[in-house]
Amino acid sequence: SAVISQKPSRDICQRGTSLTIQCQVDSQVTMMFWYRQQPGQSLTLIATANQGSEATYESGFVIDKFPISRPNLTFSTLTVSNMSPEDSSIYLCSVDSPGTIQETQYFGPGTRLLVL
Amino acid sequence: QKEVEQDPGPLSVPEGAIVSLNCTYSNSAFQYFMWYRQYSRKGPELLMYTYSSGNKEDGRFTAQVDKSSKYISLFIRDSQPSDSATYLCAMKTRNTGFQKLVFGTGTRLLVSP
Repeated sequence: SAVISQKPSRDICQRGTSLTIQCQVDSQVTMMFWYRQQPGQSLTLIATANQGSEATYESGFVIDKFPISRPNLTFSTLTVSNMSPEDSSIYLCSVDSPGTIQETQYFGPGTRLLVL
Repeated sequence: QKEVEQDPGPLSVPEGAIVSLNCTYSNSAFQYFMWYRQYSRKGPELLMYTYSSGNKEDGRFTAQVDKSSKYISLFIRDSQPSDSATYLCAMKTRNTGFQKLVFGTGTRLLVSP
């Protein structure tokens, strides 16, 4: 399995500001994923990030609001831009299982964001 | 109709009980099935993973898949208060290229001492 760390673990931010969340993996992975989990809800995929290419966003999520970087095979960032209280959520980084058949995914501990 | 249906609970049981958590799905192309455990304020932790019909056992946990009925279950024997968490089922297809992991809504389990 992969060991995933995220920074920050939590933050309280003011409306209109931006926050960048970092995700570090202990091994090289092809795909990294960013999810959002709103209170009492299941996980919603925001985007998929491959190294060396632009991220692919799911319906309802746009690059201007959630820019993503993937500079190498072990690291990615997600920025939540121009935040509003509706962005209060847990943001989770995830990676595919290693190997040629990506049968499952592992998750980081999450970043708990509160926007005032 | 959602692709994956899961009763949100909460499911309350006494310590030592056998717990059954279930998900149904509509997409017969799903081939990989996972159960994640998520404690409050934590990320999901992969608990069980299987790709074939039948049972897979790991300690007190048994994952069961019935592809003909499109139904998966997670059984927890001798449940403990430390098992209190939200359990998420997830599944994906085996098609080539990127296939999104599809989650159930999660079942909240409460095991009382």
